[in-house]
Amino acid sequence: AQSVTQPDIHITVSEGASLELRCNYSYGATPYLFWYVQSPGQGLQLLLKYFSGDTLVQGIKGFEAEFKRSQSSFNLRKPSVHWSDAAEYFCAVVPGVNRDDKIIFGKGTRLHILP
Amino acid sequence: GAGVSQSPRYKVTKRGQDVALRCDPISGHVSLYWYRQALGQGPEFLTYFNYEAQQDKSGLPNDRFSAERPEGSISTLTIQRTEQRDSAMYRCASRPSRFETQYFGPGTRLLVL
Repeated sequence: AQSVTQPDIHITVSEGASLELRCNYSYGATPYLFWYVQSPGQGLQLLLKYFSGDTLVQGIKGFEAEFKRSQSSFNLRKPSVHWSDAAEYFCAVVPGVNRDDKIIFGKGTRLHILP
Repeated sequence: GAGVSQSPRYKVTKRGQDVALRCDPISGHVSLYWYRQALGQGPEFLTYFNYEAQQDKSGLPNDRFSAERPEGSISTLTIQRTEQRDSAMYRCASRPSRFETQYFGPGTRLLVL
């Protein structure tokens, strides 16, 4: 079945440590790929997106993600996390070539930061 | 400018009552989407509009759910005869055109007692 998988429900890292959040998708064609962040009481904020071109995408707040077609993955990374990065992170895809299509979200990964 | 706004932010209702959730998109945005997010889950698509036309309502769970966007701007999601399983965060998003990404509002948290 078509899906977006975020295998880690919770991740805990120390402040200043590096971070990688995993995301895999199972769609035939290369979908449009996104990472969103949701802080408590806030809406969903777009961190970055991949439509085509360079497979390493830079986003806001120092985040980046790399699209790997062979692994059907779009992992999110940050070299050094800050306490303010504690939030829930959603990987998402627009699976079809029609950009009007709905966004399909993963179940999310909650990031906890240790001081 | 102002982002996507939703009202009310919180709604508590009794089972069997009807509720109407409002979404005010960013001015000039063509497309408007509704999603529902259960606790511990990612948002799930409900329906979307281009201008006033409802393009896809395949995500509406049953006929108690309906949505409209009569003038191509503000949209209302209506849930009739609410049930406890309808309790969730309801999120709205808008997009300026088909070549842009969606911008999300803060959501309406619905609790059905």
